[in-house]
Amino acid sequence: KQEVTQIPAALSVPEGENLVLNCSFTDSAIYNLQWFRQDPGKGLTSLLLIQSSQREQTSGRLNASLDKSSGRSTLYIAASQPGDSATYLCAHNAGGTSYGKLTFGQGTILTVHP
Amino acid sequence: EAQVTQNPRYLITVTGKKLTVTCSQNMNHEYMSWYRQDPGLGLRQIYYSMNVEVTDKGDVPEGYKVSRKEKRNFPLILESPSPNQTSLYFCASRLGDQPQHFGDGTRLSIL
Repeated sequence: KQEVTQIPAALSVPEGENLVLNCSFTDSAIYNLQWFRQDPGKGLTSLLLIQSSQREQTSGRLNASLDKSSGRSTLYIAASQPGDSATYLCAHNAGGTSYGKLTFGQGTILTVHP
Repeated sequence: EAQVTQNPRYLITVTGKKLTVTCSQNMNHEYMSWYRQDPGLGLRQIYYSMNVEVTDKGDVPEGYKVSRKEKRNFPLILESPSPNQTSLYFCASRLGDQPQHFGDGTRLSIL
C-alpha cells in the first residue's frame, strides 16, 4: 500500500524564518510529486509539481526537491510571512502513468506569527 | 478564469434523502476525481474519470455513484446518504501530468 508521510504535523515559526517541510513516500516508482497549499475552508492550490526526471522546482520563495532513491521530498520556504500560514500537503503519483492516482500525506499545519 | 466549480458549498440533509453534488470544470481537462477529507484520515479518493463515459472506483467508493456524460461535468451522487458520509468533499481535475486543480469544497452534514 502506498503511503505518504509528512513531518512535522504542525510548525509555528516567527516571521522571516526559513523553513523546511518534509514528505516521505514508500513507493519509489514515482511518476511525479506535487505540493499543495490549503487555506481553512478552501480547496487545495497547487504550488509546485516535480516530475520524476527532475530534482527540484522553484517558484518565488518556494523550492521543492525530490530524491526518489530515498523516497523523500522537501518544501523549502524562504523568508516566511504571516500570509504563508496554511496547511501544506504533498501528493505523489506512483500509478505509472500521467493519469495515476494521487496519494496524499496528512499535511503540515504551518503558522507564521508576526 | 480557469476553475473547478462545486455546488452546493454547504448542505445539511437527512439520512436516506438522495442528493447530488455537481462539479464542473472549464479547462477541457480529461481527468476528474472526487475526494473526501476527514480529520485524521486526510484526503481519500472516491471515484475518478479518465474521460467521457470512463469512470472507476477510488479508495472509498461505497455509497457513492458518479457519471461522466460530458467532459466538463462530473457529478457525485449519494443515493441513500448515511451519517458516516458527513464530510468535506472536493472535486478536482487535471490534464495528464499537469498540476491538479481543486474546487472550493462541499461540506455535507447528514443527520
